[in-house]
Amino acid sequence: NAGVTQTPKFRILKIGQSMTLQCTQDMNHNYMYWYRQDPGMGLKLIYYSVGAGITDKGEVPNGYNVSRSTTEDFPLRLELAAPSQTSVYFCASIRENYGYTFGSGTRLTVV
Amino acid sequence: SQKIEQNSEALNIQEGKTATLTCNYTNYSPAYLQWYRQDPGRGPVFLLLIRENEKEKRKERLKVTFDTTLKQSLFHITASQPADSATYLCALDPFKAAGNKLTFGGGTRVLVKP
Repeated sequence: NAGVTQTPKFRILKIGQSMTLQCTQDMNHNYMYWYRQDPGMGLKLIYYSVGAGITDKGEVPNGYNVSRSTTEDFPLRLELAAPSQTSVYFCASIRENYGYTFGSGTRLTVV
Repeated sequence: SQKIEQNSEALNIQEGKTATLTCNYTNYSPAYLQWYRQDPGRGPVFLLLIRENEKEKRKERLKVTFDTTLKQSLFHITASQPADSATYLCALDPFKAAGNKLTFGGGTRVLVKP
């Protein structure tokens, strides 16, 4: 099992550009999450999904969108990149009664 | 306001000693609390989960306690080794609602010196 795979690992965007952060898991987990982590700060939940076709907002959803067409994939879309979206983004999935499995992250810089 | 607090100052400890980290929370009544390890440039890795009806949980050299009256969890690394150097995060599900959504503390960095 590869676990949770995120691509790309690094990206530099210009203000106003759009991009999709990819996340896929091969563990057949229903629950998936997107978090962002800023230096010295805790992880903040952006969006989550409890199954294919079902998504909901987390604590900091503004400026982002998600979709969940399959159990495996949970992409995060940035439509109009802003400097405040410079961060490290982590995708995660969970097995019931266990902890999260995180991907290795995408480091995004908006200039 | 609701929050989770971990000591933001790095913990420097000598190899072989026990490192003790604190996680305090306010205004929550979580069903469980989790601890994660995060190395630089990597995603957090799950270590332990302790439920509200459990006082203590152990895994190898790790020990976690959970005091729901004090609203505090302690995380111990016994016989610490340089390889234990990392940032440790605590997390909980504050609302016991569907979705298992975790709220994380800011983490405590541990540096174990040989």
